[in-house]
Amino acid sequence: AQTVTQSQPEMSVQEAETVTLSCTYDTSESDYYLFWYKQPPSRQMILVIRQEAYKQQNATENRFSVNFQKAAKSFSLKISDSQLGDAAMYFCAPSNFGNEKLTFGTGTRLTIIP
Amino acid sequence: DTGVSQNPRHKITKRGQNVTFRCDPISEHNRLYWYRQTLGQGPEFLTYFQNEAQLEKSRLLSDRFSAERPKGSFSTLEIQRTEQGDSAMYLCASSFFGRSETQYFGPGTRLLVL
Repeated sequence: AQTVTQSQPEMSVQEAETVTLSCTYDTSESDYYLFWYKQPPSRQMILVIRQEAYKQQNATENRFSVNFQKAAKSFSLKISDSQLGDAAMYFCAPSNFGNEKLTFGTGTRLTIIP
Repeated sequence: DTGVSQNPRHKITKRGQNVTFRCDPISEHNRLYWYRQTLGQGPEFLTYFQNEAQLEKSRLLSDRFSAERPKGSFSTLEIQRTEQGDSAMYLCASSFFGRSETQYFGPGTRLLVL
């Protein structure tokens, strides 16, 4: 079974600044996917970014990028030029190879300070 | 592509009553997942389908829970004899296994058992 640790329950960042959310996980599998999802208050889960574990290159999606360290089982999310709309709960979630079910961390609540 | 939809969005019921939730996935997606999210936690996997076959059920899914996906399209999740501990957000997600293992979530059904 996978376990996921998001050690920062809450983070805050000034608008237009950069923030990094951390995530570590434990898995016995060698091939899997990793995801970051955001969940704004009372709204649905939205995909932020995805990383394939077999790829060494870190994924990037506009202002969002990851630092994936497979050996260390670390998968952090960097948000550049933070915007008010980035305020949400962020969840890190690796998936199982085969059934692809997601294991979620407890989340990091991100606040954007205007 | 209209996204994943779930109905109802909110449900209040009395302890001991039965409730049924519906999920309509993205039309071409062959996999459908159910998760449960309690307040302040990340979602937890309940069960998933590939087409009409239910391939895995979590130990969280007690005998009072049943899920179906009769024609490989929409799915229903039924809870019999509801208990206060069943109060949670029930999330549905779908994906196209074999093309992209990214799961897209619906808005969820929030259940409150009185």
